[in-house]
Amino acid sequence: QQQVKQSPQSLIVQKGGISIINCAYENTAFDYFPWYQQFPGKGPALLIAIRPDVSEKKEGRFTISFNKSAKQFSLHIMDSQPGDSATYFCAASGMDSSYKLIFGSGTRLLVRP
Amino acid sequence: NAGVTQTPKFQVLKTGQSMTLQCAQDMNHEYMSWYRQDPGMGLRLIHYSVGAGITDQGEVPNGYNVSRSTTEDFPLRLLSAAPSQTSVYFCASNPRTGPGELFFGEGSRLTVL
Repeated sequence: QQQVKQSPQSLIVQKGGISIINCAYENTAFDYFPWYQQFPGKGPALLIAIRPDVSEKKEGRFTISFNKSAKQFSLHIMDSQPGDSATYFCAASGMDSSYKLIFGSGTRLLVRP
Repeated sequence: NAGVTQTPKFQVLKTGQSMTLQCAQDMNHEYMSWYRQDPGMGLRLIHYSVGAGITDQGEVPNGYNVSRSTTEDFPLRLLSAAPSQTSVYFCASNPRTGPGELFFGEGSRLTVL
């Protein structure tokens, strides 16, 4: 049973557009929610992370929105660029067990010039 | 700093063969973990370690063994390879102070015939 569900599986966006990726989790014990970005042939790298005591976190063009009551969180990429084309994974864990991340299934983003 | 180094990058095995995937980190991180990445399934935790001499099972441990004799090294052993173990394997490390960013290696692509 997948504890973190991610959608969509793939996403095509025009340059300058907004990319939105959604995740839902089941385990209410999760209290750390990172997003990882992966380029082909490379390992995932941390993009941005949020804790449930805030509803939104922004870093540059990347924003996480968090809805604790709905057990959902999403990644918004503003002004999407071709260099953002990658696979994005949401994940969840307990604050004291971030070495045991539960990952979503991934979203392959393609930003067209 | 090299970060997290995995070897080999590519390996082809026959069913029933054994092999070891090597992982080394030079960041003095206490925590290390192994994930496998399969299409449409994200990354799934195989085994993890919270320090030298301490290991535990993740979501999908069957068919794999690990040991952690030093802080730097965390090898993953396949005892009797099966086609279901065809995957891309990622090693990661993170510091004890958390929640910590996972630093991933570049992966080891394993094919079992």
